[in-house]
Amino acid sequence: DAGVTQSPTHLIKTRGQQVTLRCSPKSGHDTVSWYQQALGQGPQFIFQYYEEEERQRGNFPDRFSGHQFPNYSSELNVNALLLGDSALYLCASSHTPTGIGQSPLHFGNGTRLTVT
Amino acid sequence: GDSVTQMEGPVTLSEEAFLTINCTYTATGYPSLFWYVQYPGEGLQLLLKATKADDKGSNKGFEATYRKETTSFHLEKGSVQVSDSAVYFCALGHTGGFKTIFGAGTRLFVKA
Repeated sequence: DAGVTQSPTHLIKTRGQQVTLRCSPKSGHDTVSWYQQALGQGPQFIFQYYEEEERQRGNFPDRFSGHQFPNYSSELNVNALLLGDSALYLCASSHTPTGIGQSPLHFGNGTRLTVT
Repeated sequence: GDSVTQMEGPVTLSEEAFLTINCTYTATGYPSLFWYVQYPGEGLQLLLKATKADDKGSNKGFEATYRKETTSFHLEKGSVQVSDSAVYFCALGHTGGFKTIFGAGTRLFVKA
């Protein structure tokens, strides 16, 4: 049973460029969330996708956008890259909860983005 | 808004020592509480969870009890191993999905 897979694992971009990161959720999961993890910090919520719609968004500018496909996979796009966008980008999948409590997240290993 | 505060690291212990990593939270309602662990070069993995007050989550010898009266979810292990060296994140989330809020993480080093 494949877990959450992300690609690429590493990426180096120049300021002002655009980047697309990809994520395939764990089998059976229908919800994908994206997080940004700066060095030495906890993950910060970017947004969550469910049924191909953005369901909630964190405190990130519109330069950050996403998409979810019918097979539940997802992309994160970042435009006009800034040096401060350098971070580990984590994709997490989950199953939309039907009971009490929030379903735990299953994370990929992340994409390390370096902006120079 | 909701937030999670956990003790700063790094925490350095000798093998077989007792571990406590403190975590307190601020939230509306009754969130679910989680501990995630991140090993070097890897993404986060769920370690344990609790969904209501007085629940105790446990896994791999780690335990944490959901204390609503003190808004805490401290992580404990009776005897740590070198393989427990990692970064530990306390987190909370609400029923219905949506975002999970993470603490800043506590790095644990265990010496042989």
